[in-house]
Amino acid sequence: NAGVTQTPKFQVLKTGQSMTLQCAQDMNHNSMYWYRQDPGMGLRLIYYSASEGTTDKGEVPNGYNVSRLNKREFSLRLESAAPSQTSVYFCASSERQGNSPLHFGNGTRLTVT
Amino acid sequence: QKEVEQDPGPLSVPEGAIVSLNCTYSNSAFQYFMWYRQYSRKGPELLMYTYSSGNKEDGRFTAQVDKSSKYISLFIRDSQPSDSATYLCAMSAQDAGNMLTFGGGTRLMVKP
Repeated sequence: NAGVTQTPKFQVLKTGQSMTLQCAQDMNHNSMYWYRQDPGMGLRLIYYSASEGTTDKGEVPNGYNVSRLNKREFSLRLESAAPSQTSVYFCASSERQGNSPLHFGNGTRLTVT
Repeated sequence: QKEVEQDPGPLSVPEGAIVSLNCTYSNSAFQYFMWYRQYSRKGPELLMYTYSSGNKEDGRFTAQVDKSSKYISLFIRDSQPSDSATYLCAMSAQDAGNMLTFGGGTRLMVKP
């Protein structure tokens, strides 16, 4: 049982380049999330999708876009990467939005130079 | 001031010690409290989940919530080197769409 799978594991981008982070879950969860984790800042929510067909902004959405492709997949796009977006990105899923434990992937480590 | 505060550590203890990890928070509406464990270069995994005040025990782990003091704790008994990880507290309130707010994490090192 794979759980939540994120690709790629590592990425280096130059300022201004674009990329898409992929996430897929096999637990038949309704809700999916994208977080970023920075030293001392904890996990901050970028975007979430409460259910298939819906997406909403989280705490730090600027510079990102998302697509809930189907119930399993939720992608995060950086249109024009900036050094401030250097971070570790985690995708998570839960049975439903709110008060339902999150299941995390193992992260994508992104460096923007 | 952050909504959820955690001492970043690192906290270093000998094997077999009792470990106490803590979080304080400012939002009195928080009702659901979770502890996640995160090993190096891995995603967080859920360790404990409690609702409102009181204690919850699971093996060597005990989660405690004191809503009157806005303070939660995670106790680890008979700590093992395999417990070395970063521990994140997280909490949510029903009036915020139940979205989780995370603490910054405490790094724990258990030495053999």
